[in-house]
Amino acid sequence: GEDVEQSLFLSVREGDSSVINCTYTDSSSTYLYWYKQEPGAGLQLLTYIFSNMDMKQDQRLTVLLNKKDKHLSLRIADTQTGDSAIYFCAELRHGGATNKLIFGTGTLLAVQP
Amino acid sequence: AAGVIQSPRHLIKEKRETATLKCYPIPRHDTVYWYQQGPGQDPQFLISFYEKMQSDKGSIPDRFSAQQFSDYHSELNMSSLELGDSALYFCASSLLGGGEGTDTQYFGPGTRLTVL
Repeated sequence: GEDVEQSLFLSVREGDSSVINCTYTDSSSTYLYWYKQEPGAGLQLLTYIFSNMDMKQDQRLTVLLNKKDKHLSLRIADTQTGDSAIYFCAELRHGGATNKLIFGTGTLLAVQP
Repeated sequence: AAGVIQSPRHLIKEKRETATLKCYPIPRHDTVYWYQQGPGQDPQFLISFYEKMQSDKGSIPDRFSAQQFSDYHSELNMSSLELGDSALYFCASSLLGGGEGTDTQYFGPGTRLTVL
């Protein structure tokens, strides 16, 4: 995660919007992803955005991409206590025949009831 | 829908022992990836296979080896285990070249390896 940066912690109240930010480094990344990880659990794919898009909305989730600044954000509307988890952004980086994911440092989202 | 299957889910080993982790990709997926997530860390890429051939290698120790078999399942073999190998090991699978977003990686639940 040394190349992909996220803020470590975000605390919001239930019902508010959450915005999690990410700064990546590889301008040639074609896809950028958001994954959710609950304590002791696996990585759940939330959404992704193609690099030629500025915005993608998927129900309560909105992804914004500023390719010039290499900045990605995830907005969660009407945040619920079940949204409490660690959120990782990841950039897809080319390597051989396949593409590997480079993860950010992760943001712990705490939702207060 | 079928997901990525990993076994075992938990594994406890002593130092200098060996361990084998197994991964069964989503049906019809042709690519497998292995990642290691240490405590409080982000997942780090280890190695990937496409169509049973090693494709890319990350920060994987020489003590580790992996392969993808004819049925596309993959195994990660770890020898001379060290305390620092204690981590969550994820396998992910994808389908390359199938169209927009199809090389999206779907992760298994992980194998938690504890080395004592």
